[in-house]
Amino acid sequence: ELKVEQNPLFLSMQEGKNYTIYCNYSTTSDRLYWYRQDPGKSLESLFVLLSNGAVKQEGRLMASLDTKARLSTLHITAAVHDLSATYFCAVGAYSGAGSYQLTFGKGTKLSVIP
Amino acid sequence: NAGVTQTPKFRILKIGQSMTLQCTQDMNHNYMYWYRQDPGMGLKLIYYSVGAGITDKGEVPNGYNVSRSTTEDFPLRLELAAPSQTSVYFCASRPRGLIAGNEQFFGPGTRLTVL
Repeated sequence: ELKVEQNPLFLSMQEGKNYTIYCNYSTTSDRLYWYRQDPGKSLESLFVLLSNGAVKQEGRLMASLDTKARLSTLHITAAVHDLSATYFCAVGAYSGAGSYQLTFGKGTKLSVIP
Repeated sequence: NAGVTQTPKFRILKIGQSMTLQCTQDMNHNYMYWYRQDPGMGLKLIYYSVGAGITDKGEVPNGYNVSRSTTEDFPLRLELAAPSQTSVYFCASRPRGLIAGNEQFFGPGTRLTVL
């Protein structure tokens, strides 16, 4: 069974600071997804990482993937209040039935305070 | 494109009642999924479909049923609602193959409370 662990689960950070969210997973996968969820809203796709060493950046967020370590990171640079949300990583893998499925972490609730 | 749409947005059910959560996508995606999200948790897969007429169980299928008669629609049925089914339900879809890295697109969610 594929397990996905995120840490921290809660993160309170000051505006202007940097921080990293970690996503570890238990079995081989070459695809990892990061989503953002605002309170009461749906999930918005942030990044799709498709291979070992993949790095993607959008604004103050940068995601990377190390498939050998089974680790992805989401780095936040100079945080601003608008980044306050819950961030989920999800790992893609084929199930026993042969279908491609996502397994989600529990999410990291980020609060950026002035 | 409206993307993935879900109805209703909110619903309160009594124990033992039945209801159907509707999900429609207009992107001609073959794959569709139903997830539930409990407070403070990630999403768990209930059922999925790889195309019209083909469905299969996910991680937490008990208490639910699905059907897929068309490419666009993937309704989720609760037959005998229980308090444990209080959750937010998300429908998602994606295209066939390696387009966009198998990225899934999510609907706005249905918040269900069973009392």
